[in-house]
Amino acid sequence: NAGVTQTPKFQVLKTGQSMTLQCAQDMNHEYMSWYRQDPGMGLRLIHYSVGAGITDQGEVPNGYNVSRSTTEDFPLRLLSAAPSQTSVYFCASSYATGTRNEQFFGPGTRLTVL
Amino acid sequence: ILNVEQSPQSLHVQEGDSTNFTCSFPSSNFYALHWYRWETAKSPEALFVMTLNGDEKKKGRISATLNTKEGYSYLYIKGSQPEDSATYLCAFGNQAGTALIFGKGTTLSVSS
Repeated sequence: NAGVTQTPKFQVLKTGQSMTLQCAQDMNHEYMSWYRQDPGMGLRLIHYSVGAGITDQGEVPNGYNVSRSTTEDFPLRLLSAAPSQTSVYFCASSYATGTRNEQFFGPGTRLTVL
Repeated sequence: ILNVEQSPQSLHVQEGDSTNFTCSFPSSNFYALHWYRWETAKSPEALFVMTLNGDEKKKGRISATLNTKEGYSYLYIKGSQPEDSATYLCAFGNQAGTALIFGKGTTLSVSS
């Protein structure tokens, strides 16, 4: 199993550009989520999904969209990148609903918005 | 807004020392408490998931306890080794089962 994979590993954007961060898992996990990690802030939940076709907002959803058309994939879209979205983004998945099951994290995407 | 506090923010110990960290969380509507180990340039990896008051979990030299009534969990490392150097995160699981609220972590540095 590859586990949770994320692409790209690094990305530099200009303000106003859009892009999609990819996340995929091959463990047949129902629950997937996106976090951002900023210095001194810990991991903050952006969006999550409890299954294909179901998504919801986390703590810091503004400026991001998600969709879950398959169990395996959970892309995160930045609609119009802003410098405040410079961060490291982690995708995670877990068996069934998330909070009583350990989360498996991807390797992260380091995003810089100029 | 749910708040998860971890202390200390960082600490430095010598090889062979035993140490412990604290995670404080809301004592009402408890659902789950997670501990993760996060090494530099890697992804967080799960250590423990605890769901019952009084839970005690152990993995090698690392153990954790849980007190849901007073809202705290301790992580213990016995005989610290340089490879234990990492940031240790705790996370509180909401009752809806949909979100984890992470603390800011305790960064441990172990010198040989």
